[in-house]
Amino acid sequence: DVKVTQSSRYLVKRTGEKVFLECVQDMDHENMFWYRQDPGLGLRLIYFSYDVKMKEKGDIPEGYSVSREKKERFSLILESASTNQTSMYLCASSQTRLYNEQFFGPGTRLTVL
Amino acid sequence: GENVEQHPSTLSVQEGDSAVIKCTYSDSASNYFPWYKQELGKRPQLIIDIRSNVGEKKDQRIAVTLNKTAKHFSLHITETQPEDSAVYFCAASTNFGNEKLTFGTGTRLTIIP
Repeated sequence: DVKVTQSSRYLVKRTGEKVFLECVQDMDHENMFWYRQDPGLGLRLIYFSYDVKMKEKGDIPEGYSVSREKKERFSLILESASTNQTSMYLCASSQTRLYNEQFFGPGTRLTVL
Repeated sequence: GENVEQHPSTLSVQEGDSAVIKCTYSDSASNYFPWYKQELGKRPQLIIDIRSNVGEKKDQRIAVTLNKTAKHFSLHITETQPEDSAVYFCAASTNFGNEKLTFGTGTRLTIIP
């Protein structure tokens, strides 16, 4: 059974703080993704990674960076948190093969005050 | 890049009736179209998908149809039940699902008992 975990379910930070969101998957998946979910806007891709130390920008990368030092771990970094980054953040992973399913983590609800 | 539009944003149907959710995509190179279901407070999960060489696919009470010429695809749920209440996301991929997905904005389906 695929398991994708995220470091926190709820997080409250102050404007200007550096924020780290961690995601870990235990199924040896090559691909990992970070999405942001906002009401009425669906799931928007922030960054994704096909392999260790590789990263690709998604549709809304501004204000975010990522790190993938190990295959099972993908971190999302908010260098200087702002109130407009208050959102639900979802991590996902998938295998490198055709028609593959993305498996999501439980999400982190981030509030920036 | 790819753009996926999804309608309606909210849908209420009587238990036992059918529900239809429609999506359109912009990139004619898209060739894989999954649907994810997100129950309240839970993570999105794949429920069905369709490939570009297929016009229709059915799995018990759910079915998806694809019209490549018009660049739209739909989710059909028949004999709806209370457990069908959720947010449904359509998505599209240009690499057979072997890389990033572009998601629609979601449809909140409510089944009225």
